[in-house]
Amino acid sequence: QSVLTQPPSVSAAPGQKVTISCSGSSSNIGSHFVSWYQQLPGAAPKLLIYQNDKRPLEIPDRFSGSKSGTSGTLGITGLQTGDEADYYCVTWDSSLIAVAIGGGTKLTVL
Amino acid sequence: QLQLQESGPGLVRPSETLSLTCIVSGGPISTNGHYWGWIRQPPGRGLEWIGAIYNSGNLHYNPSLKSRVTISADTSKNQFFLRLNSMTAADTAIYFCAKSGGGADTIEYWGQGTLVTVSS
Repeated sequence: QSVLTQPPSVSAAPGQKVTISCSGSSSNIGSHFVSWYQQLPGAAPKLLIYQNDKRPLEIPDRFSGSKSGTSGTLGITGLQTGDEADYYCVTWDSSLIAVAIGGGTKLTVL
Repeated sequence: QLQLQESGPGLVRPSETLSLTCIVSGGPISTNGHYWGWIRQPPGRGLEWIGAIYNSGNLHYNPSLKSRVTISADTSKNQFFLRLNSMTAADTAIYFCAKSGGGADTIEYWGQGTLVTVSS
C-alpha cells in the first residue's frame, strides 16, 4: 500500500487532454519535489517530469506537471495512441526516509 | 550516454538469497550526489522502490524490505549490487537498477530490467 494515491485508470479520446493526480501528505509531496514516469508496455519506466514541473529535453511540451500542497498533477494534451501507458508519481518521504512511488495510473486513449 | 545493465539469475529457490549486479557504463558511479538504486515490479503490478546507495557508501532502504536487503558498490568495477535474502514467491518481479541525480526520486536512467522468479 503506497503512501501516494493515484487513480487506477483514466481515459480520454485522441487529441484530448487528461490529468492524473497524485495525493500524498506533508511528509512527502507537501515538502518534497514530485517526479512523473511513463512506462510503456514491456519497457522500463521513463522520466517525464522532475522537480514538480520540469521536463527533460527530449520530453515534448504536451506533458506538464504541477504541485499544490500535498498533491501533484500530471497533464497530457493532444493525446496520442502512443501515450497509452502506465504513469507513476514519485517523491521522497521524510517519515519513511525512502522514495515513495504511487500505485500507478493506466492511461487508455480511446 | 549512461547505460545500466542488470545481471543475475533468473530463478531463485525459496529461502535463498538473490544477488544482482548492475553494470554501469558511460560514467562513474563514484560521483557525489548521484544515487544508484534498485526498483522492482511484480508481474502485472506497480513499481516498488527497494533502496539506493550514494556518495560511495551512504544507504537508504525501503523500510518494508530493510531487514532483508543489502546494497553495495564497487567503484573500481563501476558496478553496484543488490542482495535480498529469504526470498519467497512474493519477491518474484522484474528488478530494475537505476541512477538518480538531483534527488533520489529523480530517476534519470534505468536498466532494461531482469525477471527474477522464485520457485522450487
